[in-house]
Amino acid sequence: GQQVMQIPQYQHVQEGEDFTTYCNSSTTLSNIQWYKQRPGGHPVFLIQLVKSGEVKKQKRLTFQFGEAKKNSSLHITATQTTDVGTSFCAGSGESQGNLIFGKGTKLSVKP
Amino acid sequence: DSGVTQTPKHLITATGQRVTLRCSPRSGDLSVYWYQQSLDQGLQFLIQYYNGEERAKGNILERFSAQQFPDLHSELNLSSLELGDSALYFCASSVVAGGGTQYFGPGTRLLVL
Repeated sequence: GQQVMQIPQYQHVQEGEDFTTYCNSSTTLSNIQWYKQRPGGHPVFLIQLVKSGEVKKQKRLTFQFGEAKKNSSLHITATQTTDVGTSFCAGSGESQGNLIFGKGTKLSVKP
Repeated sequence: DSGVTQTPKHLITATGQRVTLRCSPRSGDLSVYWYQQSLDQGLQFLIQYYNGEERAKGNILERFSAQQFPDLHSELNLSSLELGDSALYFCASSVVAGGGTQYFGPGTRLLVL
């Protein structure tokens, strides 16, 4: 069945450094979504990418969807302590199947 | 506030017991999903209901069951509880049956002693 792999599982950075998490699917996706879970909170939808090669930005966050629609990345520029938490990618197969979540990347930021 | 409500927020119980977690989806959402999140773990998909019918099943134990009622709220029943069932249980809802954006509730934190 469809699998969504996310790396790294953990990332520790110094405040001000950049951070990237990668998501790879075993099958072609119709769309990819990103969610953010802050410590003690629940996952919150951030963005959806649908088109091959799509790039979207939200302030210091840049989201990319690969040309083959099988991978995606989230890049944070100049991390801040408020960026701590777990980022999840979630992909949906081309047959509009269920959303499959990656295991998440937990980010910690040292001030 | 996602619009998804879950009760109770916290639950402490003993091994062997049975508990019921409740979820009310966002207004207009027909799909309800249940996830289990253990400490430092990802989201383990348990089960999905769409408009009252079971639509998809994930890694749900036989001791666990769920249902969605005509008013679209859902309940997750956990029985013969074990220590390892201690976790955060999230409910999420979406408008569509599959692939749509999911809106998560605040979760129920279950502690089995």
